Amino acid sequence: EAGVTQFPSHSVIEKGQTVTLRCDPISGHDNLYWYRRVMGKEIKFLLHFVKESKQDESGMPNNRFLAERTGGTYSTLKVQPAELEDSGVYFCASSQDLPGQGARSPLHFGNGTRLTVT
Amino acid sequence: GDSVTQMEGPVTLSEEAFLTINCTYTATGYPSLFWYVQYPGEGLQLLLKATKADDKGSNKGFEATYRKETTSFHLEKGSVQVSDSAVYFCALKGRGSTLGRLYFGRGTQLTVWP
Repeated sequence: EAGVTQFPSHSVIEKGQTVTLRCDPISGHDNLYWYRRVMGKEIKFLLHFVKESKQDESGMPNNRFLAERTGGTYSTLKVQPAELEDSGVYFCASSQDLPGQGARSPLHFGNGTRLTVT
Repeated sequence: GDSVTQMEGPVTLSEEAFLTINCTYTATGYPSLFWYVQYPGEGLQLLLKATKADDKGSNKGFEATYRKETTSFHLEKGSVQVSDSAVYFCALKGRGSTLGRLYFGRGTQLTVWP
């Protein structure tokens, strides 16, 4: 099966510009997550979609970040306007809850998008 | 709140050396614990996991034991290979947390020289 795919792999933009990251989860996976790793720091949770609905967006840093998942398939994460501190690697992950596995459903991660804001 | 602390890197070893990467956690209750690995140019991959105290996760020669008394989940491998060069992340999922919401450490870069 195809894995989680993220586009672009790299993006370099200037402060104040807008960038949109895209994530295509594994087909049939209802759960989609965005994470971010700022250079040298922890990978931090941003938000979680179940199909097209935001289940948990408590990790979104501020209102310059907007995530969508129209139709419950792919997701986009827009940063507008970008700031220097937004630089980092943005990971997307997906999973499918399986009967009886509960909390043990594995996450499948994409390769990430490296965002550099100059 | 829930958090993970792992040893600072980078770690540089010769092939066949013994590896330990320390990981300790803070969480209420009994979290599930994980080690993820990121090889160059790739995404995060689950390396191993443990869901309850005294469980030992193992995969590809790596092992980690869930130690509740020391709140630790140290990663070990008896003989590393060049192909093990990667970034290793310790992570936890808190009991009752949103499914898939993980708390990660900062990652430890491992480089193995032939």
